Amino acid sequence: GAVVSQHPSWVICKSGTSVKIECRSLDFQATTMFWYRQFPKQSLMLMATSNEGSKATYEQGVEKDKFLINHASLTLSTLTVTSAHPEDSSFYICSARADRGPSYYNEQFFGPGTRLTVL
Amino acid sequence: QQQVKQSPQSLIVQKGGISIINCAYENTAFDYFPWYQQFPGKGPALLIAIRPDVSEKKEGRFTISFNKSAKQFSLHIMDSQPGDSATYFCAGRQGGSEKLVFGKGTKLTVNP
Repeated sequence: GAVVSQHPSWVICKSGTSVKIECRSLDFQATTMFWYRQFPKQSLMLMATSNEGSKATYEQGVEKDKFLINHASLTLSTLTVTSAHPEDSSFYICSARADRGPSYYNEQFFGPGTRLTVL
Repeated sequence: QQQVKQSPQSLIVQKGGISIINCAYENTAFDYFPWYQQFPGKGPALLIAIRPDVSEKKEGRFTISFNKSAKQFSLHIMDSQPGDSATYFCAGRQGGSEKLVFGKGTKLTVNP
């Protein structure tokens, strides 16, 4: 149980194009999801907190117009990198916080990540 | 006050040995301290976690020791195996917002 998927697992795009990354909780509901980015050999940096049915909350220094987040259902959040540039190349990871339940109270479960390369 | 300091940055252990990774935090609002294991090209996976009202938690070969007064906690991996070779991250979770603040990671290599 507690599986989070991401799609695509990797994507290569040209500079100036937009890329959408999906994060799904497969066997549990998640009112709250988080988006992180990770540069090679570095730690995870929180980009934004996504809540179902409301606007995402972005961390300081993260451009909300560049990284569009939509959390339309209790099992799906999407991150769209708009007008991507080479410096946006990174490993993007989502996590889903399990809603209250007997086994997964408040745990965050991470997706496998999406490798974005912008040429 | 947001930081979680993790050491060492890298660690090499022989098979069967004990791996120890240390973390220290400053934010007293943290209410939960998870450890994650990450393999190259994969997302982090929850390994073990502890709440601040507990001094030790053991799950199989993995043990967290927690010292609330010193604001320190550590991960011990007993009988380390080559399959344990990965990067390990400690984290603190902020009560209320539930944001995770990660340490910088420790790359563990277990030699056969």
